[in-house]
Amino acid sequence: DAGVIQSPRHEVTEMGQEVTLRCKPISGHDYLFWYRQTMMRGLELLIYFNNNVPIDDSGMPEDRFSAKMPNASFSTLKIQPSEPRDSAVYFCASTPRASVPTGTGKDYEQYFGPGTRLTVT
Amino acid sequence: LAKTTQPISMDSYEGQEVNITCSHNNIATNDYITWYQQFPSQGPRFIIQGYKTKVTNEVASLFIPADRKSSTLSLPRVSLSDTAVYYCLVGDRRPRSNTGKLIFGQGTTLQVKP
Repeated sequence: DAGVIQSPRHEVTEMGQEVTLRCKPISGHDYLFWYRQTMMRGLELLIYFNNNVPIDDSGMPEDRFSAKMPNASFSTLKIQPSEPRDSAVYFCASTPRASVPTGTGKDYEQYFGPGTRLTVT
Repeated sequence: LAKTTQPISMDSYEGQEVNITCSHNNIATNDYITWYQQFPSQGPRFIIQGYKTKVTNEVASLFIPADRKSSTLSLPRVSLSDTAVYYCLVGDRRPRSNTGKLIFGQGTTLQVKP
């Protein structure tokens, strides 16, 4: 498996522009998470989906941020309009189906993508 | 979700065993303890997960006392490549739990020196 795929890997944009980040989770994973990481705030959970349905978006900073998951193999995180304080690394992660624990200690392990480094000037 | 507390940073030398302790005084009955590792410019990577006593895999060991209010990640004979940030998290791992999310704290930055 190719793992979680994110695109683009780097994005540089000007303040006010719309930014769309993309994520393809691992096939068969039912949970998808979007995180943001900065030096000041560390790794923050923005939103997560279960079976394509948003479950908790309490971490989304404001209305400029929106996330969608139109199908099991694709999700987007959009920022419109972007601001310099949105500069960060954005990670997508996916987790397998919440089934009976296997006892291996790896149930619900989150698999992270390589991240998208966003710079808003 | 239970809050975790761990040291901000630790230094070690190659070949030594490193133990990172995490406090989680408010851990709930159904919470599991999970550790992630993050290298610079990469996403976090799962290391190990446990509920009680001891868990060991090819990378690390996790020691959890009976009261589960703390846990210790043990890395045997570290090398320079183990320099990373290590996160301790607790969360409900029951099936159908809607708390599939994990809350990452600041983590422990481990610096391994030659």
